[in-house]
Amino acid sequence: ETGVTQSPTHLIKTRGQQVTLRCSSQSGHNTVSWYQQALGQGPQFIFQYYREEENGRGNFPPRFSGLQFPNYSSELNVNALELDDSALYLCASSPGQGTSGTDTQYFGPGTRLTVL
Amino acid sequence: AQKVTQAQTEISVVEKEDVTLDCVYETRDTTYYLFWYKQPPSGELVFLIRRNSFDEQNEISGRYSWNFQKSTSSFNFTITASQVVDSAVYFCALSEGGYQGGKLIFGQGTELSVKP
Repeated sequence: ETGVTQSPTHLIKTRGQQVTLRCSSQSGHNTVSWYQQALGQGPQFIFQYYREEENGRGNFPPRFSGLQFPNYSSELNVNALELDDSALYLCASSPGQGTSGTDTQYFGPGTRLTVL
Repeated sequence: AQKVTQAQTEISVVEKEDVTLDCVYETRDTTYYLFWYKQPPSGELVFLIRRNSFDEQNEISGRYSWNFQKSTSSFNFTITASQVVDSAVYFCALSEGGYQGGKLIFGQGTELSVKP
């Protein structure tokens, strides 16, 4: 069984640019969630997708957007990058609908984004 | 409001010592789920355990044990006979049932350092 994978591992961008981060969920997992983890902090929930639709959103502005595809892959897009967007971005997949809260989320290794 | 507090920012022990990581949570829901994750230096969050609010039985898995007490809203994690490989940041997380229950609310994490 393949785990959750993310690409790229590291990324450096400049302020104002746009970035796309990618995630491949564990096979059979219909729900994907994205988290932002600033240095020394716990992960913060960005949003969740279930069957290609946004299923819940945290306290992040609209310039954070996502897509989920039928093949268990997903993307996190961030427009107009700011210095504070520098963080580790984690993708997690889970087998159910996500909203029940019962499912365990399995995380990928993350993408380290640096905004200069 | 939901909240998870891990008051211990850093703990340092010598190998073979026992160590307990504290976690206190706040929620108004009667149905909720508690998790512990381990984050080694590689960055990936590794799932350790999930507990639902109706199951207060303590759990033991090898050198790991968890003590869930609803009366004090705590879900503490003990490592017995710690080893150097246990060195990591440990996160406690809360997930609520119902709509938007899929998001995980993390504590700030406790960095555990086990010295030989």
